[in-house]
Amino acid sequence: DIVMTQSPDSLTVSLGERATINCKSSQSVLYSSNNKNYLAWYQQKPGQPPKVLISWASTRESGVPDRFSGSGSGTDFTLTISSLQAEDVAVYYCQQYYSNPRTFGQGTKLEIK
Amino acid sequence: EVQLVESGGGLVQPGRSLTLSCAASGFTFDDYAMHWVRQVAGKGPEWVSGISWNRDNIVYADSVKGRFTISRDNTNNYLFLQMNSLRVEDTAFYYCAKDASGTYGPFDYWGQGTLVTVSS
Repeated sequence: DIVMTQSPDSLTVSLGERATINCKSSQSVLYSSNNKNYLAWYQQKPGQPPKVLISWASTRESGVPDRFSGSGSGTDFTLTISSLQAEDVAVYYCQQYYSNPRTFGQGTKLEIK
Repeated sequence: EVQLVESGGGLVQPGRSLTLSCAASGFTFDDYAMHWVRQVAGKGPEWVSGISWNRDNIVYADSVKGRFTISRDNTNNYLFLQMNSLRVEDTAFYYCAKDASGTYGPFDYWGQGTLVTVSS
């Protein structure tokens, strides 16, 4: 199984500041035949299911604000929120869909300072 | 509008069975793989099982293999999860999730979940 490890476990950032969350996979999720990274980022707010923000490591989903961006390749990935807004308080998860079982990171709780 | 509505959760004793259903609408159901994902309150999501658009590829997490069975009805747009020999550790919210592709993609839509509680 591919193990996904996020850092940090929690993060406190001031409004308007940058937030950065890291995700490391135990093996590469880059599929060489199409050069795509099978990595997604989800946001989960209390009482709601997860919502996909970023797919293929760096493709922002429709309707997701452009302050959210994803980067990285192979085994190391980053979710960046360029200017934190109050509504971004949530838990963020990375997930690989390169192979089964589809595994999630343990989550990063993002709070406002 | 894509909608996924789970049902069938509830309180069940250890060792008993339960079947979850997910009614899908707003998209061409038989074009996409579907999944069940569970989540214990305060913990991260755990993928449980997935089924490809044509049922050719069915996979399970080791924690449920041999006890749970995923299936789909492409005529009536339903996804199911038959859960047998339930254990206390199966207690969680169970979400139905749509894959963005027919086989391997991110989960682009989720239902609101149904709570399964396994307790004596």
